[in-house]
Amino acid sequence: NAGVTQTPKFQVLKTGQSMTLQCAQDMNHEYMSWYRQDPGMGLRLIHYSVGAGITDQGEVPNGYNVSRSTTEDFPLRLLSAAPSQTSVYFCASSYFTGIRANYGYTFGSGTRLTVV
Amino acid sequence: DAKTTQPPSMDCAEGRAANLPCNHSTISGNEYVYWYRQIHSQGPQYIIHGLKNNETNEMASLIITEDRKSSTLILPHATLRDTAVYYCIGGNKLVFGAGTILRVKS
Repeated sequence: NAGVTQTPKFQVLKTGQSMTLQCAQDMNHEYMSWYRQDPGMGLRLIHYSVGAGITDQGEVPNGYNVSRSTTEDFPLRLLSAAPSQTSVYFCASSYFTGIRANYGYTFGSGTRLTVV
Repeated sequence: DAKTTQPPSMDCAEGRAANLPCNHSTISGNEYVYWYRQIHSQGPQYIIHGLKNNETNEMASLIITEDRKSSTLILPHATLRDTAVYYCIGGNKLVFGAGTILRVKS
């Protein structure tokens, strides 16, 4: 049982490049989400999904795309990287019981992204 | 999701109880209160959650006021390894605020 696995752990991109951050969980969790954390700040929600085929926007979705074709995977795509997207990205998952999401979230160890 | 207010930082002596307050006056009746912590630059770690009743697990206790407008996380015997940023979250979409930096000192 690996929990939530994020790859890569570190990445340097040039401005304008695109890439996909991978997130996989093996706990059969319906709910998955992506956060970014800038230095000295709290986490901000980018996108989330309550099940395969369903995604929605969080607080800061611009510049990012997501899809959820399977329960296990929730990749985050940066369409055209900008220096403002330099951050640490965390993926999280949880069981989901509708409006009453009464289970704790499991977070991955993060991807540290630098855009130059 | 409810807006939460926490003190920016707190100190606690090693071995003593750490009591971390949180105000969530706009929380609605079906929204849970969650507590997470983040040690250094690791991913956040779930601690505890509750709706109306007080809760206890192996990590901490959560005391929620009767009107549900505030809560307190209690670490009964803080250790140096409990030094972290503690986040109180009101609501099920898990929107993080700035949190409280807890420094446990020997």
